[in-house]
Amino acid sequence: EPEVTQTPSHQVTQMGQEVILRCVPISNHLYFYWYRQILGQKVEFLVSFYNNEISEKSEIFDDQFSVERPDGSNFTLKIRSTKLEDSAMYFCASRQRTSTDTQYFGPGTRLTVL
Amino acid sequence: AQKITQTQPGMFVQEKEAVTLDCTYDTSDPSYGLFWYKQPSSGEMIFLIYQGSYDQQNATEGRYSLNFQKARKSANLVISASQLGDSAMYFCAMREGIGTGNQFYFGTGTSLTVIP
Repeated sequence: EPEVTQTPSHQVTQMGQEVILRCVPISNHLYFYWYRQILGQKVEFLVSFYNNEISEKSEIFDDQFSVERPDGSNFTLKIRSTKLEDSAMYFCASRQRTSTDTQYFGPGTRLTVL
Repeated sequence: AQKITQTQPGMFVQEKEAVTLDCTYDTSDPSYGLFWYKQPSSGEMIFLIYQGSYDQQNATEGRYSLNFQKARKSANLVISASQLGDSAMYFCAMREGIGTGNQFYFGTGTSLTVIP
């Protein structure tokens, strides 16, 4: 069964460093998302991406964040200069355009900023 | 106002019993979708069940069913015949409208513990 994959599973970085989180969405999906979940809290939307551009973003997704689909399979989230409060689990999700519009989530990348 | 409210931070259920996890939602959009996800301790988010706002029947997927009460804006998840492997966090989520973005709004989750 096709699934969303994410790498790395855990990333540790120093405050102020740049990180790139990688995702490979399900191959025939058209819509891509990033969410984050701070430990013990609910999942929060960051950004959605369709047709090679951002279609929606939250207030969390400020100038420090960017997304890219550099080729036909990868979807990346870059945090330019990490802060302590960026420590969280980051989930990538993708969906087709079907009647259910179900978003399928990857296993997540746990980002720890020291 | 919260889009999704889950009022049960923790629930316990005896193995083989049924359990209901509550979810209420808030939207003025006539078109929306409601979803339940399971998050085991390993952290991944597993899709369980979907209910569309125009669906006439309650959704069912194996041991999972969704008790959809549109007038009350509730979408409770019912797990029948609980198993030890059902112990996890459960999140209710909503997608509003139809469009290219359609972010999901998540609730704060309910931690379910199945007791042998």
